[in-house]
Amino acid sequence: DIQMTQSPSTLSASVGDRVTITCRASQSISSWLAWYQQKPGKAPKLLIYKASSLENGVPSRFSGSGSGTEFTLTISSLQPDDFATYYCQQYNSYSWTFGQGTKVEIK
Amino acid sequence: EVELVESGGDLVQPGRSLRLSCTTSGFTFGDYAMSWVRQAPGKGLEWVGFTRRTGDGGTTEYVASVKGRFTISRDDSKSIAYLQMNSLKTEDTAVYYCTRLKMVYATNYYYYMDVWGKGTTVTVSS
Repeated sequence: DIQMTQSPSTLSASVGDRVTITCRASQSISSWLAWYQQKPGKAPKLLIYKASSLENGVPSRFSGSGSGTEFTLTISSLQPDDFATYYCQQYNSYSWTFGQGTKVEIK
Repeated sequence: EVELVESGGDLVQPGRSLRLSCTTSGFTFGDYAMSWVRQAPGKGLEWVGFTRRTGDGGTTEYVASVKGRFTISRDDSKSIAYLQMNSLKTEDTAVYYCTRLKMVYATNYYYYMDVWGKGTTVTVSS
């Protein structure tokens, strides 16, 4: 199975900060990567698919980039609603696998 | 409005069985593959498995840890997906989410999870 490793595991930031989360795959997954946001007690929500495509209705401050084995999720200006845990997930091959998550906390 | 509602979660003893349902509305169920993802208490997300559209054979894929114990099926006439869980273990304790899959074709079929239900809780304990 392809392993997905996110860094950092926890990130402390302030409103207005630019935030970047990295996700690395143990082998090439082309651009078959999605990013999800999860708030406590809630279901995950799709933010980005195919590494850089923004899901309908997701604010444009979210962006994704990368291909092959290295990917990033960037929040250009962190808003109060963005404090949550973020997961990357590869869907290049079975079993689909998630990163361990990055918790974005208030500094 | 697209909606997925999971049900059937319960407290069960190890070795017993349980069937979860995912009742959907707001879209043409038969046009989509469907998947299940779980999250153990305080842990990250784990993909469990998925079923392709009936038109694509309705075949299934599973994560190794549930293969042979869990079965995903679908009833297109009722717009419901199911997760049959047999020989349950304590490590199967989790919130189980149903997800809709968006399909992309690019020399092969690729799927990503575009809509999620709110989840149902399964606790396996004696």
